[in-house]
Amino acid sequence: DQQVKQNSPSLSVQEGRISILNCDYTNSMFDYFLWYKKYPAEGPTFLISISSIKDKNEDGRFTVFLNKSAKHLSLHIVPSQPGDSAVYFCVGYNQGGKLIFGQGTELSVKP
Amino acid sequence: DAGITQSPRHKVTETGTPVTLRCHQTENHRYMYWYRQDPGHGLRLIHYSYGVKDTDKGEVSDGYSVSRSKTEDFLLTLESATSSQTSVYFCAISDQVGTNEKLFFGSGTQLSVL
Repeated sequence: DQQVKQNSPSLSVQEGRISILNCDYTNSMFDYFLWYKKYPAEGPTFLISISSIKDKNEDGRFTVFLNKSAKHLSLHIVPSQPGDSAVYFCVGYNQGGKLIFGQGTELSVKP
Repeated sequence: DAGITQSPRHKVTETGTPVTLRCHQTENHRYMYWYRQDPGHGLRLIHYSYGVKDTDKGEVSDGYSVSRSKTEDFLLTLESATSSQTSVYFCAISDQVGTNEKLFFGSGTQLSVL
């Protein structure tokens, strides 16, 4: 049972353009959603989160949008930079539960 | 970076041998976790600990055991390694549970079971 799904294994974007990473979920009990970023040979690092009572959270170049009715969230990166090339994990969390990771999307930002 | 050290970073072993992976933290965080990362599955929780000698199972705990005798150390043991346990293993720590549970991850251990 894949509660958090990232259906695009990879995404390629030109430097300076927008990157949009998508995520769908099935568990209505998630209280928070988080995005983690992972470089090769390193552990994931926290990037940005959003509460289930909000529909948008912004932090610099990164914005996460949540559409609860569609059980869908997306991460926007504007403008994209080569250093953003990494694997991005969408994660669901419900209080008292544990983090549930999606499969990840590998973003490649080309100069 | 959070003070998390995983050892070894790489290990090759044979089927049926016991293997222990170590996670050491210097942050004095209460909660510690072991995840495995596999293609197509993201990260899946194996076991976690909410204090010394307090551990519990995650979603993929079969074939694994853990121990936490000190706040700073969390050991993951494969009693008899199988090829299906070939994976990248990540340790994570956090200091709070109940709100926005952010985890800090170690750099991972690449384990190959031949």
